[in-house]
Amino acid sequence: KQEVTQIPAALSVPEGENLVLNCSFTDSAIYNLQWFRQDPGKGLTSLLLIQSSQREQTSGRLNASLDKSSGRSTLYIAASQPGDSATYLCAVGSSNTGKLIFGQGTTLQVKP
Amino acid sequence: GAGVSQSPRYKVAKRGQDVALRCDPISGHVSLFWYQQALGQGPEFLTYFQNEAQLDKSGLPSDRFFAERPEGSVSTLKIQRTQQEDSAVYLCASSSHAGAPYNEQFFGPGTRLTVL
Repeated sequence: KQEVTQIPAALSVPEGENLVLNCSFTDSAIYNLQWFRQDPGKGLTSLLLIQSSQREQTSGRLNASLDKSSGRSTLYIAASQPGDSATYLCAVGSSNTGKLIFGQGTTLQVKP
Repeated sequence: GAGVSQSPRYKVAKRGQDVALRCDPISGHVSLFWYQQALGQGPEFLTYFQNEAQLDKSGLPSDRFFAERPEGSVSTLKIQRTQQEDSAVYLCASSSHAGAPYNEQFFGPGTRLTVL
């Protein structure tokens, strides 16, 4: 059974820092991995989707990497801003139906 | 609309009542997913539709939960005889493709259900 873990559960950093959020999964037989952002009381916003054949994806200040063999993904946020404060969720697609298995999230606070 | 929409956004039910939650996916999206998110947790899969066919309902927690998508677009998640443990945010997601591996999912704002 696929299990997804995110560390740390919470993170507080000063504005401008570069930071890394970690995601690990137990079964390396995945189709893809998706990173989401969730603001309080809101739904999920898709940030980056990495297919199993890819090693990384970039969007603006965000870079996500995938190492299937070790069961790990990282989300790198450059030059963090207070507007980046949110919960970041990692989700793995390891079923041919496309259903996602989520981690519990990392709650990020960027202080001005 | 451009995104996934859900209604109602908030629902308060007395224990034992039946509720129905609606999801309008992005137009033309083949795949539709329902997830349940308890407070402070990541979402957990409930069920999956490909067009009107319910191909996976392995995540439904009990037979009180029922979902349908009769015309392959709008979907309804129904919970019968609600219990306090059903209190959660119910998220709907859609995707343009059927199944993996190209399955980027787009989520709605969710329905927050509170059972008293």
